Amino acid sequence: GQQLNQSPQSMFIQEGEDVSMNCTSSSIFNTWLWYKQDPGEGPVLLIALYKAGELTSNGRLTAQFGITRKDSFLNISASIPSDVGIYFCAGDNAGNMLTFGGGTRLMVKP
Amino acid sequence: DTAVSQTPKYLVTQMGNDKSIKCEQNLGHDTMYWYKQDSKKFLKIMFSYNNKELIINETVPNRFSPKSPDKAHLNLHINSLELGDSAVYFCASSQDRRSMVAGGYTFGSGTRLTVV
Repeated sequence: GQQLNQSPQSMFIQEGEDVSMNCTSSSIFNTWLWYKQDPGEGPVLLIALYKAGELTSNGRLTAQFGITRKDSFLNISASIPSDVGIYFCAGDNAGNMLTFGGGTRLMVKP
Repeated sequence: DTAVSQTPKYLVTQMGNDKSIKCEQNLGHDTMYWYKQDSKKFLKIMFSYNNKELIINETVPNRFSPKSPDKAHLNLHINSLELGDSAVYFCASSQDRRSMVAGGYTFGSGTRLTVV
């Protein structure tokens, strides 16, 4: 089946630093989504990308849909303690379901 | 109002028991899903229903049986529970089966199942 490779698997950063994580696939996707999961909760949608090359921001978060349609990245600027959580990329190739990456666990040191 | 609610939030049970997890969504979505999240946090699709019809059944043991009485509900029944079934189970919904419409899935807060 399709697989999304998400990196890094975990990051431990200082508050105020910028963060970058990415997701790659061997298959083309029509949509890329980024989710955040807080402890004890389900994933919550952060950003959705629908066109190759699209760059979208949501507050301090910026995500891009790669030109090849096989990758996407998520940047977080000026991290704060509440950014802690697991970030998942997900791709949709117009099938019936999303394929999720393995997640990036972000830890922020105050 | 909780958009996707699942109960119970925690479930501890012995091996061999049968248990059910319930899920309800009040978003008017047509499609619902069950995902399993293992200890490494990997999210794996189990089932998907579109308007009460099963459309995805990923290599899940027959001990797992989903039931959708109407499009707002998707319950998961598990027979003869095994230690390896311990995980967090997430229910989710999307506007329709083409998940990219309206921004993907809305997830419930999860049910942590522990089999002892």
